[in-house]
Amino acid sequence: DGGITQSPKYLFRKEGQNVTLSCEQNLNHDAMYWYRQDPGQGLRLIYYSQIVNDFQKGDIAEGYSVSREKKESFPLTVTSAQKNPTAFYLCASSSPSFSAGERPTSNEQFFGPGTRLTVL
Amino acid sequence: AQKVTQAQTEISVVEKEDVTLDCVYETRDTTYYLFWYKQPPSGELVFLIRRNSFDEQNEISGRYSWNFQKSTSSFNFTITASQVVDSAVYFCALSEAREWDMRFGAGTRLTVKP
Repeated sequence: DGGITQSPKYLFRKEGQNVTLSCEQNLNHDAMYWYRQDPGQGLRLIYYSQIVNDFQKGDIAEGYSVSREKKESFPLTVTSAQKNPTAFYLCASSSPSFSAGERPTSNEQFFGPGTRLTVL
Repeated sequence: AQKVTQAQTEISVVEKEDVTLDCVYETRDTTYYLFWYKQPPSGELVFLIRRNSFDEQNEISGRYSWNFQKSTSSFNFTITASQVVDSAVYFCALSEAREWDMRFGAGTRLTVKP
């Protein structure tokens, strides 16, 4: 079945440690995204990638890093510089359609099951 | 800047009641896309619907219906004859045609009691 997988489901980290969250998709989608969700809040964009070897910062990129070496994979590293990393992290992908210009005409995203990160 | 407001933080209804979840958005673009997602307790967001700004036709899918009104910048979601399985957090989101990102509202937690 096609879909998005995230691992692990739960992750515990000690303060000062870097940790990497995995996101894999087999939907053949070009674009991938990382969001952070805090209790009672909506999703906030951390990073997104339109194509392999390219990615852009979202609203809250500080303290995070990503890579996009393969179309199917978009891992997120939470570094020790992230002051408050405890949150629920969601990965998404989409396959935007294009009009005559470069921008997408739609941006319907499909989400993985999420990783809940807790800093001890 | 684009913005999505879901003023209802929590709603509680009894099974079989109808319930409407409100969504108000702000955008300067004439072309944009609106979405509703459902987040059950498992955490994964489930896509429900996408609506283009140039298509104001309301949509019905089973017990779900959506009312899109550009005049009031609203995209409300109604569940008819609610069921316990409808209990979840529902998010409204907006994407402008020129942007890659999607802006989410804070979500409305719906609890349907038996």
